[in-house]
Amino acid sequence: DTAVSQTPKYLVTQMGNDKSIKCEQNLGHDTMYWYKQDSKKFLKIMFSYNNKELIINETVPNRFSPKSPDKAHLNLHINSLELGDSAVYFCASSLKRGGRETQYFGPGTRLLVL
Amino acid sequence: AQTVTQSQPEMSVQEAETVTLSCTYDTSENNYYLFWYKQPPSRQMILVIRQEAYKQQNATENRFSVNFQKAAKSFSLKISDSQLGDTAMYFCAFMKQAGGSNYKLTFGKGTLLTVNP
Repeated sequence: DTAVSQTPKYLVTQMGNDKSIKCEQNLGHDTMYWYKQDSKKFLKIMFSYNNKELIINETVPNRFSPKSPDKAHLNLHINSLELGDSAVYFCASSLKRGGRETQYFGPGTRLLVL
Repeated sequence: AQTVTQSQPEMSVQEAETVTLSCTYDTSENNYYLFWYKQPPSRQMILVIRQEAYKQQNATENRFSVNFQKAAKSFSLKISDSQLGDTAMYFCAFMKQAGGSNYKLTFGKGTLLTVNP
């Protein structure tokens, strides 16, 4: 199946731990994103990578470190997890084609920090 | 900065009827894109429809259509013949070029639509 996939789908952890969320797309896209959806369902961009290069960093705490080993993968590592990090994290990808860029989302990772 | 406003936190409609979800946005850009995404209880973000600002013709995808009023900065979504599976949170989103060749989506707060049998 062609898609954007994320692992894990659910992540429950203790405050202070370090965790990673992985994202992979097999759509041949060159740009990937991380979005955060808070408890009120509000979605906001965190990062964007184009061909492994960081393009957007939206004032996210430096405890969050994205890593893109290749243009098909964008992982999110979070250090020293805090209660406020509890949210759903969405990965997305896109390909600029004649200006008709559309972002396709993964299924989301629900993170719960206890 | 761009803002997207969805003034209806919740709406409901009877099955087979038509419903319109409102969205307004604020931007000084002339070229941009607008989207409606749907998030059902499964939590998956699903693209419903997109509109390029330079196009005057309103986008249509089967039962979904938009009313794009560029001067008024309005982008409403009409769902015809509503089905139970349309029950979801609907997000309006704006996209401008953020830098280089990349774009970022700015989302509204969403409208929870419930389709009643």
